[in-house]
Amino acid sequence: AQTVTQSQPEMSVQEAETVTLSCTYDTSENNYYLFWYKQPPSRQMILVIRQEAYKQQNATENRFSVNFQKAAKSFSLKISDSQLGDTAMYFCAFMKLTQGGSEKLVFGKGTKLTVNP
Amino acid sequence: SAVISQKPSRDICQRGTSLTIQCQVDSQVTMMFWYRQQPGQSLTLIATANQGSEATYESGFVIDKFPISRPNLTFSTLTVSNMSPEDSSIYLCSAGGGTGRGGELFFGEGSRLTVL
Repeated sequence: AQTVTQSQPEMSVQEAETVTLSCTYDTSENNYYLFWYKQPPSRQMILVIRQEAYKQQNATENRFSVNFQKAAKSFSLKISDSQLGDTAMYFCAFMKLTQGGSEKLVFGKGTKLTVNP
Repeated sequence: SAVISQKPSRDICQRGTSLTIQCQVDSQVTMMFWYRQQPGQSLTLIATANQGSEATYESGFVIDKFPISRPNLTFSTLTVSNMSPEDSSIYLCSAGGGTGRGGELFFGEGSRLTVL
């Protein structure tokens, strides 16, 4: 079974600064996706960024980027130029890929990020 | 992308009653899932809703307590049966998946249940 570990229950950052959220995972699978989801107080889960395990290049989406270390099973999220709207719960998630497509998401416990003005 | 609508968004229920949550997706999707989330906590998968067949339940969740239907590729229901205060939680529908969508799962806004 896959497990996802987020070791930082809470973090805070000043507006405009950079913050990195940590995530490690455990799996024996070779084909999988990794995700970071954001859940603001409104409760809506929003995809922040996705990484395919077969890709060596780290994914980036505007101010968000990941550091994917497959051998170390590490998948950290870097948020640059933090904005007040980035305040949310961030979940790291793992998805195994099968021939039929994708499977369930396994979530970490989350990191509560607060961006301070 | 896929837009997911859940109903009800919140409800207050009496102990011993049952409540059915509906999940409607605006496009056909491969996978549909039901998650439970306690306030401030992570998401725990209840089951995979299989189209045209019985749902696949995770350890700790049983069909008698959480019956699930999925009559087609865009709709699913989750019933929380014989509720107790321990069932007070947020229930989220998730849909999408498949390599064609890059594996992304989309989420409804959740249904917050309070059991008195």
